[in-house]
Amino acid sequence: AQSVSQHNHHVILSEAASLELGCNYSYGGTVNLFWYVQYPGQHLQLLLKYFSGDPLVKGIKGFEAEFIKSKFSFNLRKPSVQWSDTAEYFCAVNHSNDYKLSFGAGTTVTVRA
Amino acid sequence: GAGVSQSPRYKVAKRGQDVALRCDPISGHVSLFWYQQALGQGPEFLTYFQNEAQLDKSGLPSDRFFAERPEGSVSTLKIQRTQQEDSAVYLCASTYIRSRTDTQYFGPGTRLTVL
Repeated sequence: AQSVSQHNHHVILSEAASLELGCNYSYGGTVNLFWYVQYPGQHLQLLLKYFSGDPLVKGIKGFEAEFIKSKFSFNLRKPSVQWSDTAEYFCAVNHSNDYKLSFGAGTTVTVRA
Repeated sequence: GAGVSQSPRYKVAKRGQDVALRCDPISGHVSLFWYQQALGQGPEFLTYFQNEAQLDKSGLPSDRFFAERPEGSVSTLKIQRTQQEDSAVYLCASTYIRSRTDTQYFGPGTRLTVL
């Protein structure tokens, strides 16, 4: 079965610290990769996505992610977090011949001021 | 512009009752998805429409779940004879074009609690 794993359930860090959230998937073949974020009280919104080209993808709000095909990974990074980055982060994958997204369980990130 | 809207935002049902959850996608969006999100989990796919055609319903957990999109815009997810395990947030998402790389825009969800 296809699956998406997010390594950390809850991450707590201070403002200005660097953030890296892990995501691994178990699909074979070509995939499209997404990171979504859900801020408190808001709906899911796209941070960034990768489907081809440069494996280092830049998204909104200073986030970036790197696709490493050999490791089946798509880790999310931000060099310096802000209090407003407190949110839940979801990695999602779809196979290149499918529309539906498979999500990881999510990582809650708490940034302390 | 207006995003995806869902109603009701909260629904409490007694076990055995039928419920209907509505999704209004972004105007002009061709594709529409329903997902179920249990507490502490990521969203799980239920079903997918392209215009009025239901192209994939492989994620519907049982025949008590039924979805429709008769005119290719608004969609309704119906759950018959609700059970406690149906308690979850039901998310709707839409996309503009028929591309697998297209961004899915999510609504706020309907939180269903079955007592």
